[in-house]
Amino acid sequence: QSALTQPASVSGSPGQSITISCTGTSSDVGGSNSVSWYQQYPGKGPKLIIYEVTNRPSGVPDRFSGSKSGNTASLTISGLQAEDEADYYCRSHTGSSAPYLFGSGTKVTVL
Amino acid sequence: EVQLVESGGGLVQPGGSLRLSCAASGFTFSEPWMIWVRQAPGKGLEWVTNINQDGSAKFYVDSVRGRFTISRDNDKNSLYLQMNSLRAEDTAVYYCARDGKPHAADSWGQGTLVTVSS
Repeated sequence: QSALTQPASVSGSPGQSITISCTGTSSDVGGSNSVSWYQQYPGKGPKLIIYEVTNRPSGVPDRFSGSKSGNTASLTISGLQAEDEADYYCRSHTGSSAPYLFGSGTKVTVL
Repeated sequence: EVQLVESGGGLVQPGGSLRLSCAASGFTFSEPWMIWVRQAPGKGLEWVTNINQDGSAKFYVDSVRGRFTISRDNDKNSLYLQMNSLRAEDTAVYYCARDGKPHAADSWGQGTLVTVSS
């Protein structure tokens, strides 16, 4: 059960938009609408920012949006802010005996 | 306010056992699936195991199946992870979380560190 593939790092300037990809297979990302995204600051527990591909929990800014095409899900952060500098992980339901898989993680740097 | 507080981590020798606990408050504990996720030092998140509302369904990642056991006590609002035959590669911060959104963990604890070393 290998992790879903994410870029190790993505960077952008304040106000810009960035997109983080999460690539799997037809057995996980491609075959499921149960893709979620998490934000994690160093030394802290993760925070849910997107669920079911596109839904935002209450309190999450609408700068965060999710999408999916084929076997790749994406998280877009619009109007990048300094506080968005963190690690981001995707998670997908899978068809295997271990029903969930996380992505490898992406470090977002705000220049 | 939803709160999840893990405890029970520590240093254990290879081959040893440890039992983690997660005390839940601020929600009806018997309603959601609950999960354990771990994070090795400097590494990414790894989904470890989950359990359904009444404990009748449990799933594990291959690397811990047969060694770890998840359980819950809805009367005590508590989630547990019994870890046996521990290996160095089990060294990680272990997080308890609530799958309160469809297939998504919307509340997390602060984590407890498990170190497997001689």
